[in-house]
Amino acid sequence: NAGVTQTPKFRVLKTGQSMTLLCAQDMNHEYMYWYRQDPGMGLRLIHYSVGEGTTAKGEVPDGYNVSRLKKQNFLLGLESAAPSQTSVYFCASTRQGSNQPQHFGDGTRLSIL
Amino acid sequence: GNSVTQMEGPVTLSEEAFLTINCTYTATGYPSLFWYVQYPGEGLQLLLKATKADDKGSNKGFEATYRKETTSFHLEKGSVQVSDSAVYFCALSDQGGATNKLIFGTGTLLAVQP
Repeated sequence: NAGVTQTPKFRVLKTGQSMTLLCAQDMNHEYMYWYRQDPGMGLRLIHYSVGEGTTAKGEVPDGYNVSRLKKQNFLLGLESAAPSQTSVYFCASTRQGSNQPQHFGDGTRLSIL
Repeated sequence: GNSVTQMEGPVTLSEEAFLTINCTYTATGYPSLFWYVQYPGEGLQLLLKATKADDKGSNKGFEATYRKETTSFHLEKGSVQVSDSAVYFCALSDQGGATNKLIFGTGTLLAVQP
């Protein structure tokens, strides 16, 4: 009964380093999303995917790339980390169709020094 | 574009007090509206939703009514408990079922004291 699993849970990077955050869901959901959560700003959509092999930009995509090579996985990459990318990152997934609720992972806390 | 505005927190209440968290929205068309809750150290969970005007969503003693005339979706609970302490997010669907994207408010921290 895993739902949405994010790895890692915590990470500290130095400016300029790269890393990939992994999101895996076991609910056979078609749609997946990456958000960042910052104090006083709620959740902002970075990128999303409506199916395997497809991705699209959200509200704040700059500095991030994503891939959806398998339906159950959605990867978020930071090619050259910057202190402004210090945040808590959440992955979510949902079924196709109107009014479907999103299911969230527990988040990845990322600090860029 | 579409947007959601929530009352700022934190909201501090005593146990068994009445809770209201205000949420208003701006949207074209007829979006669905949601309340999500985030407990400390966890991701967001759906609390309730309403898909059309005058619908009332309810769950765990919480209620919210979709008011198109006032573009509001206020969250209420008659008697809060310490275990309700969390951050509450109002959200609306953006582009409907084509993407199921959500637009979130900034969140309201609720602290319930025994």
